[in-house]
Amino acid sequence: EAGVAQSPRYKIIEKRQSVAFWCNPISGHATLYWYQQILGQGPKLLIQFQNNGVVDDSQLPKDRFSAERLKGVDSTLKIQPAKLEDSAVYLCASSLDIPRYSYEQYFGPGTRLTVT
Amino acid sequence: GIQVEQSPPDLILQEGANSTLRCNFSDSVNNLQWFHQNPWGQLINLFYIPSGTKQNGRLSATTVATERYSLLYISSSQTTDSGVYFCAVQGGSEKLVFGKGTKLTVNP
Repeated sequence: EAGVAQSPRYKIIEKRQSVAFWCNPISGHATLYWYQQILGQGPKLLIQFQNNGVVDDSQLPKDRFSAERLKGVDSTLKIQPAKLEDSAVYLCASSLDIPRYSYEQYFGPGTRLTVT
Repeated sequence: GIQVEQSPPDLILQEGANSTLRCNFSDSVNNLQWFHQNPWGQLINLFYIPSGTKQNGRLSATTVATERYSLLYISSSQTTDSGVYFCAVQGGSEKLVFGKGTKLTVNP
């Protein structure tokens, strides 16, 4: 079974530029997550989709970050304009979310973003 | 929201030693996962264990949900076990919350 796919793996941009990350979840997983992991910390949820609807985006900086999940499969996370403090690893995860059975999340390899 | 505390923050072992990592959480959970983040940043699922005990090779985990803690045991450690171990919990319809991790270094 293929895992969660992400691209690119690395990205270096200058501040005020824009950047986009792509994620393809595990086949059949209805729930997709984007996390931000700053060096030395645990991942923090940015946004959660159930199919193509947003479940939780309370920690997404909406003035510069946006995300979409077209057709309930692939997702794109965009930052525009980027700030120095956006330097982090952006992780995508997916899960089946079957109540009383399993909520296990599976993570992709991440995209390491450096903003200079 | 739910709070997660991991201990110890850092752990240095000689190859072959055993270790126990602890995760305390502040509320009831329907999801508890242990991850290993390798030096390349990949989060690898170790256990999905909201309650009970599981074993996978040299690793095992126990969650005592009524007392709100989970333990990860690593036996006969190897240098490839080095990295950061995260505990993450989710309660009700809340988001998955990660602890700050335990950084494990296994020396040859």
